[in-house]
Amino acid sequence: GAGVSQTPSNKVTEKGKYVELRCDPISGHTALYWYRQSLGQGPEFLIYFQGTGAADDSGLPNDRFFAVRPEGSVSTLKIQRTERGDSAMYLCASSLNSGRAGTGELFFGEGSRLTVL
Amino acid sequence: QKEVEQDPGPLSVPEGAIVSLNCTYSNSAFQYFMWYRQYSRKGPELLMYTYSSGNKEDGRFTAQVDKSSKYISLFIRDSQPSDSATYLCAVSPVLNYGQNFVFGPGTRLSVLP
Repeated sequence: GAGVSQTPSNKVTEKGKYVELRCDPISGHTALYWYRQSLGQGPEFLIYFQGTGAADDSGLPNDRFFAVRPEGSVSTLKIQRTERGDSAMYLCASSLNSGRAGTGELFFGEGSRLTVL
Repeated sequence: QKEVEQDPGPLSVPEGAIVSLNCTYSNSAFQYFMWYRQYSRKGPELLMYTYSSGNKEDGRFTAQVDKSSKYISLFIRDSQPSDSATYLCAVSPVLNYGQNFVFGPGTRLSVLP
């Protein structure tokens, strides 16, 4: 597809369960970001990939959160032992380049809405 | 004090009105200023960005930055019902590093036909 694709669009799980959220960025975009957006708030940075490696994971709230991007394209955000406070919209964004001249425009997916009961 | 603040709204205006959306930030290290539009249950999309004080115009949209007072605005002329969305301002010390973007909480706008 032409845009950033995120699956699932909605995920309801029970406290303590494991969750995986997937992001398929725009083809050719080397930079990939995960953000978390709580109701009534703006997106908050979680982790940034440049290629296959996590260049900055300083936004991950704790060690229950982990993300991978093994082949430099699709990324998976993994949340272990989910808590009710993890309920939020998880947004993925990709960018054509990072750290070089450009607009810095982030292209966001439609998000995965996670609800932890 | 939060780094970026916005009035959450909701702001309701009639079709055709001029809309003013405002944002304040606290850190003078922020040099790049962006406005994103987010429709309900969708991801944000970039409307405009600027890096200098003054005005930048794009069609019906004008972004205004006053670095001395750490105040940024987005004006929408001839507002349309399709402009109904949440408008997020974002600031960053550098342009190309999304991990440095700080988003405001957004202002929800409703343009009534």
